[in-house]
Amino acid sequence: GAVVSQHPSWVICKSGTSVKIECRSLDFQATTMFWYRQFPKQSLMLMATSNEGSKATYEQGVEKDKFLINHASLTLSTLTVTSAHPEDSSFYICSVPRGGGFAYEQYFGPGTRLTVT
Amino acid sequence: AQRVTQPEKLLSVFKGAPVELKCNYSYSGSPELFWYVQYSRQRLQLLLRHISRESIKGFTADLNKGETSFHLKKPFAQEEDSAMYYCALSAETSGSRLTFGEGTQLTVNP
Repeated sequence: GAVVSQHPSWVICKSGTSVKIECRSLDFQATTMFWYRQFPKQSLMLMATSNEGSKATYEQGVEKDKFLINHASLTLSTLTVTSAHPEDSSFYICSVPRGGGFAYEQYFGPGTRLTVT
Repeated sequence: AQRVTQPEKLLSVFKGAPVELKCNYSYSGSPELFWYVQYSRQRLQLLLRHISRESIKGFTADLNKGETSFHLKKPFAQEEDSAMYYCALSAETSGSRLTFGEGTQLTVNP
């Protein structure tokens, strides 16, 4: 199956600083990638759709100025958490869709654990 | 807007027993339904999708449009089935965006 990587796997930062998380599709190109947030023992909440060559599409309630998304290439999307606060501490997961119809599948990254102190 | 509900947060069964993880959805159109599984310390991965009607690891799921359900079943649970299971929906109008249920933690006891 396709491989999606995330970097870093975990990060600790101080309140007020910015953190960048990378999502890479290692063996296929993707014009779309998705960013999710997962709180402990809770479901995945879709934050935004990263679109190559155009602006990201944010879900309702997600601050686009706080969570900056850049689809830098067909294999890389980055999520920058700006001016991080403790409430931003969470598990951030990206996914990359591939194929269509019977072959459609979303491949998930391993996630990035962000802790804001 | 679409919504996915998994009524059981926790489910515990004994090895060899049948297991059913419930999933209900609300969506006015024709959805695509998926089950994703997350084993301990591993990433989320696709278990099965309704469109392909396949059985993976002994699991099956039937889309019941009348009851708006997509329950996951396995006749004989194994200890290695212990994991977090998420039901997810893709609406025809939202491309490949997925809406996830809250998840069910399945524990299969020896």
